[in-house]
Amino acid sequence: DAGVIQSPRHEVTEMGQEVTLRCKPISGHNSLFWYRQTMMRGLELLIYFNNNVPIDDSGMPEDRFSAKMPNASFSTLKIQPSEPRDSAVYFCASSPPGSNMRGYTFGSGTRLTVV
Amino acid sequence: TQLLEQSPQFLSIQEGENLTVYCNSSSVFSSLQWYRQEPGEGPVLLVTVVTGGEVKKLKRLTFQFGDARKDSSLHITAAQTGDTGLYLCAGVVPGSWGKLQFGAGTQVVVTP
Repeated sequence: DAGVIQSPRHEVTEMGQEVTLRCKPISGHNSLFWYRQTMMRGLELLIYFNNNVPIDDSGMPEDRFSAKMPNASFSTLKIQPSEPRDSAVYFCASSPPGSNMRGYTFGSGTRLTVV
Repeated sequence: TQLLEQSPQFLSIQEGENLTVYCNSSSVFSSLQWYRQEPGEGPVLLVTVVTGGEVKKLKRLTFQFGDARKDSSLHITAAQTGDTGLYLCAGVVPGSWGKLQFGAGTQVVVTP
């Protein structure tokens, strides 16, 4: 099992540019979560999907952020336009049915720097 | 938002010593999970506790879930340098589709 795969690992972009982060969850996992981690705010849940359907996007900071899950094996998080305050590590995680007991599996993250 | 408060924020100890990390909330969670995160990587699940009063042991790590399912603790016996990392507690929000609320984390440093 390759685990949760995120790309790219690092992204440096200029303010105002569009950024797209990608995630491939573990096969058979039916929930997918996008988190953002910063020193100041810790791990913040941005949005999560269950069976490819967005369940709760209340953590998405503003309209510049959008996420899609077109199928069970792929999700994207897009920021347009990007701003320096978006700099953070973005994690994708997936979990199987019955995640109360079995927990999440996190990817290695995408470190985003907006200059 | 159901908040989880972890204490202490930072802990530095020598190899062989014991340590305890606490995770407290005023809210009830369906279950509580502990993760460890190392630099440049995502958090890795250590354990899930579900039943109030539950105690789980993982080698030198002991996890407790409070009777009211609002708090938890992690105790490490005879810490080793490999235990260094960021320890995160996370609660599953009742009635959600497995939504996890994370604490801010406790940075543990074990020195030789």
